[in-house]
Amino acid sequence: GQNIDQPTEMTATEGAIVQINCTYQTSGFNGLFWYQQHAGEAPTFLSYNVLDGLEEKGRFSSFLSRSKGYSYLLLKELQMKDSASYLCAVRTYKYIFGTGTRLKVLA
Amino acid sequence: GAVVSQHPSWVICKSGTSVKIECRSLDFQATTMFWYRQFPKQSLMLMATSNEGSKATYEQGVEKDKFLINHASLTLSTLTVTSAHPEDSSFYICSARLTSFGYEQYFGPGTRLTVT
Repeated sequence: GQNIDQPTEMTATEGAIVQINCTYQTSGFNGLFWYQQHAGEAPTFLSYNVLDGLEEKGRFSSFLSRSKGYSYLLLKELQMKDSASYLCAVRTYKYIFGTGTRLKVLA
Repeated sequence: GAVVSQHPSWVICKSGTSVKIECRSLDFQATTMFWYRQFPKQSLMLMATSNEGSKATYEQGVEKDKFLINHASLTLSTLTVTSAHPEDSSFYICSARLTSFGYEQYFGPGTRLTVT
C-alpha cells in the first residue's frame, strides 16, 4: 500500500529551529516534496528531493534517505508567519500526500 | 511565472444542482492538470489526473460520472460536480504541470464548495 506519516502537530518558539519528519512506504519513488499550506489556501512549494542528502534553501532545508524511506524538513530562525501546515508528498506515478503537520510558532 | 487560477474561489449551491469549477494556467501551457479534494484538517486527496485532449484518469473510489473533468485546452481544465450533495462540500484544488516529464506542480488557490 501507499503510506506517508507525519506528526499531526508541533509547537515551537519564534527564533528556534524545528524539524518535521516524514516517513513513507510507497510503490515506486520519483521524488519527495515539501509544501507549506496556510489555512484556507492552496499549498506552496518549498522543496524537492530525489537523491539522498540535504537540500538547503534559505531558512528551509530538506533531507532525504531513500533506503530508510525518510525525510525531514528543517526550519531555522522561526517566524510567526511560519505557522502553517507542512505537507510531505511522494511522487510515484502520481502525487501522494501525507496528512500534514500543523506547526504553531509561539512568540 | 507559473500561475494557476481557479474560478470561482467559493460557491454555495443547493443539493441536487451541478457546479462547474475552472482551472486555468495563466502563463504556461499545462499538459497535465490534477484535481484534489481536501476536507477540513485533512490532507490533499488526488481525485483525477487530466491530460489535454484525452479522458481523465480517476483515482479509486472517485465516481467519474459524478465528477466530470474536461481538459479542453492546454490552459483550461474544468471539474463539474453533478447532483451535488452536502457530503461533497469540500475544498477543491487544481494543480498544473508544465510538461509530462516535469516534476513540479503549481497549485491553484482552491475553490470552497458548500452544498446546502
